[in-house]
Amino acid sequence: QKEVEQDPGPLSVPEGAIVSLNCTYSNSAFQYFMWYRQYSRKGPELLMYTYSSGNKEDGRFTAQVDKSSKYISLFIRDSQPSDSATYLCAMSAGDNYGQNFVFGPGTRLSVLP
Amino acid sequence: GAGVSQSPRYKVAKRGQDVALRCDPISGHVSLFWYQQALGQGPEFLTYFQNEAQLDKSGLPSDRFFAERPEGSVSTLKIQRTQQEDSAVYLCASSSGHSGLTQHFGDGTRLSIL
Repeated sequence: QKEVEQDPGPLSVPEGAIVSLNCTYSNSAFQYFMWYRQYSRKGPELLMYTYSSGNKEDGRFTAQVDKSSKYISLFIRDSQPSDSATYLCAMSAGDNYGQNFVFGPGTRLSVLP
Repeated sequence: GAGVSQSPRYKVAKRGQDVALRCDPISGHVSLFWYQQALGQGPEFLTYFQNEAQLDKSGLPSDRFFAERPEGSVSTLKIQRTQQEDSAVYLCASSSGHSGLTQHFGDGTRLSIL
């Protein structure tokens, strides 16, 4: 079993739909939870991160962390064709270095106009 | 440009050849990270530099992989005697501080070993 699991998709939704992307993990030491968006042939870009449990909202994006279930989610409201990309979750036990960063395999999302 | 720049964007090499991949971080960024991203997978950590010091190389998969950042800016990832399993996208990221939370990624070098 991998340390971070993520449904690879692909996931196709119509424009305007609410999208739910999820990751599960096994390492209870993880404290920082990140969501990255990666367009084709581009590097990942950080969308948002949360520390420990709880919710965080940024525009159309909401991140949720449930440490008791070792489950995190990213919700995208009013999805747009420009949201079509691969979404990667990443987790870290600390905020230093990159070694502690463990990425999920990514979920490919297509938002159809 | 203001972002992380990687070159070449694409590299094709025959098995057994040596390759060198370059990363130009954002000017003034202290931290530099290298990742390997296989097709359909998330990035996997290879190594970390703070200025010119390589503080963590625990993710390098074998002694055929070598990275350097001699002057604390540009970094080179070298792979010797390449093998087919080395085919992947190699991503570089830099950060102004010591935290990976604020790292900015380049667009990667896509390496194909024939």
